[in-house]
Amino acid sequence: EAQVTQNPRYLITVTGKKLTVTCSQNMNHEYMSWYRQDPGLGLRQIYYSMNVEVTDKGDVPEGYKVSRKEKRNFPLILESPSPNQTSLYFCASSSSGRVSYEQYFGPGTRLTVT
Amino acid sequence: QKEVEQDPGPLSVPEGAIVSLNCTYSNSAFQYFMWYRQYSRKGPELLMYTYSSGNKEDGRFTAQVDKSSKYISLFIRDSQPSDSATYLCVTGNQFYFGTGTSLTVIP
Repeated sequence: EAQVTQNPRYLITVTGKKLTVTCSQNMNHEYMSWYRQDPGLGLRQIYYSMNVEVTDKGDVPEGYKVSRKEKRNFPLILESPSPNQTSLYFCASSSSGRVSYEQYFGPGTRLTVT
Repeated sequence: QKEVEQDPGPLSVPEGAIVSLNCTYSNSAFQYFMWYRQYSRKGPELLMYTYSSGNKEDGRFTAQVDKSSKYISLFIRDSQPSDSATYLCVTGNQFYFGTGTSLTVIP
């Protein structure tokens, strides 16, 4: 089954404790991205990757890091999480690059930072 | 000014009603217009897309783009309880999402 998987689905952590949210897709997509979803603000792009070893900032990159060492994986790293990073996070992938009408989204990771 | 503005609702309608969801966008250069649907506790999934202006129909759903007024609409005919979800309009050469409209269809 074609899908984007994220782990963990739920995470509660404390301020300053480094964490990684994993993302993996099995569709051989070149383009992958991370979003955060907050009430009243919608989905905002954090980082995106056009291909292996190619990443770039989205609209809200501060406090986040990413890496793309393999085509299928695109982990999101919070080096020192803060309460304002409490949010619902989605990973997405696409076969047609950044200019595309369809992205496939993972199920989401709900992160709470206390 | 945000790239895409969407009425957040919530919207509650009886089963069988016609639903109209609307967005406005800021940049006349935008060419891709999409509607994504997001069920509770799930990621968004593509519902419909149009390129440039005009109408596109898929079953009970019709997407409409009016580039002269920078207006995007989604119409749902004969709405069903299974249509209850949040609907996100999306546009731009990169993905600019509206904030979403929460729809509940009451049996």
